[in-house]
Amino acid sequence: AQSVTQLGSHVSVSEGALVLLRCNYSSSVPPYLFWYVQYPNQGLQLLLKYTTGATLVKGINGFEAEFKKSETSFHLTKPSAHMSDAAEYFCAAVGAGGGNKLTFGTGTQLKVEL
Amino acid sequence: DVKVTQSSRYLVKRTGEKVFLECVQDMDHENMFWYRQDPGLGLRLIYFSYDVKMKEKGDIPEGYSVSREKKERFSLILESASTNQTSMYLCASGSSGTRNSPLHFGNGTRLTVT
Repeated sequence: AQSVTQLGSHVSVSEGALVLLRCNYSSSVPPYLFWYVQYPNQGLQLLLKYTTGATLVKGINGFEAEFKKSETSFHLTKPSAHMSDAAEYFCAAVGAGGGNKLTFGTGTQLKVEL
Repeated sequence: DVKVTQSSRYLVKRTGEKVFLECVQDMDHENMFWYRQDPGLGLRLIYFSYDVKMKEKGDIPEGYSVSREKKERFSLILESASTNQTSMYLCASGSSGTRNSPLHFGNGTRLTVT
């Protein structure tokens, strides 16, 4: 079964610093991968998605993610953190089999400090 | 813009009550999903549906049932609410067109069972 692992349940960065949120997936078949963001008291919003082809995917709000098959990773980055980036981030994957149900990682809470 | 509407933001119910959580989407999506979100556990799939009158169990269906009588509406039912069902419940919908079609989420229903 497909599983997604997010390393670090809490990440803290200074405003202006690099943001790196880690995600690894398990599967011998590269899945369809997504990053979602959840702001307080809201639902999940799509940040970006990977489909076969380009390994660097650009999303909204300056975020991007790099797909590395050899490392089964799909880490999320942003060059310069902003206070408004403070939120919870979820990595998710559609695995083998039919349909597009998502398996989610356990989430990473990003804190941005002055 | 896709809109997924969950009828209640907050619900407080007593143990043993029958609870209905309603979700409506306005984009004619075939696929609909119910997830529960708990701190440290991420989102876990309860039930999903790929068509009207169709339903399939997700990863944690025990204690829940669902109903999909119309394409746009997907209801989650707690037959006899228990305190361990206190959680945030998120509904999502998605197109069946391609497997990398993103899911669109409602703002969630925070259920407290006392």
